[in-house]
Amino acid sequence: EAQVTQNPRYLITVTGKKLTVTCSQNMNHEYMSWYRQDPGLGLRQIYYSMNVEVTDKGDVPEGYKVSRKEKRNFPLILESPSPNQTSLYFCASSLWSLSRTNEKLFFGSGTQLSVL
Amino acid sequence: GQQVMQIPQYQHVQEGEDFTTYCNSSTTLSNIQWYKQRPGGHPVFLIQLVKSGEVKKQKRLTFQFGEAKKNSSLHITATQTTDVGTYFCAELFSNDYKLSFGAGTTVTVRA
Repeated sequence: EAQVTQNPRYLITVTGKKLTVTCSQNMNHEYMSWYRQDPGLGLRQIYYSMNVEVTDKGDVPEGYKVSRKEKRNFPLILESPSPNQTSLYFCASSLWSLSRTNEKLFFGSGTQLSVL
Repeated sequence: GQQVMQIPQYQHVQEGEDFTTYCNSSTTLSNIQWYKQRPGGHPVFLIQLVKSGEVKKQKRLTFQFGEAKKNSSLHITATQTTDVGTYFCAELFSNDYKLSFGAGTTVTVRA
């Protein structure tokens, strides 16, 4: 089954304790992205990657790191989490270039992160 | 930052009625996508609009792209309880790499 898999589904941590949220897709997609969702703000892009070893900042990259060492994996790293990073996080993937007709983002099930 | 504005933020609809949600941009859009997120779920792609004035239909859902490609709308007829959720529009930037989402319209339905 074609899917984007995120883990964990829920995570509670404390300020300053490094954490990683994993994301994997089995569709051979070149494009992958991380979003955070907060009430009233919709989905805001954190980082995206157009291919292996190619990443770029989205709209809210501060406090986050990513890596793309393999095509299928795109982990999100919080080196020193803070309470303002409490949010619902989504990983998404797509075929290369969103400009073709009906190219679309496939989203993972989300990770609800709470930083105390 | 976020450039697409969605209105209204909340839409309370009587079952069987119609409603429309709007997506407006300050700049000309390359293309626009619509997604639906059910409560507790993840966004799911609905449609992509590319051409000026384009209209696409999916059963009771009608999507329209403005002539000037600065706005889009989603119209739902005969609302059902299955329409509950948050509808997002997302604009594609010309560099093809960034998809910027609006804040969404959250729809609730009164039976």
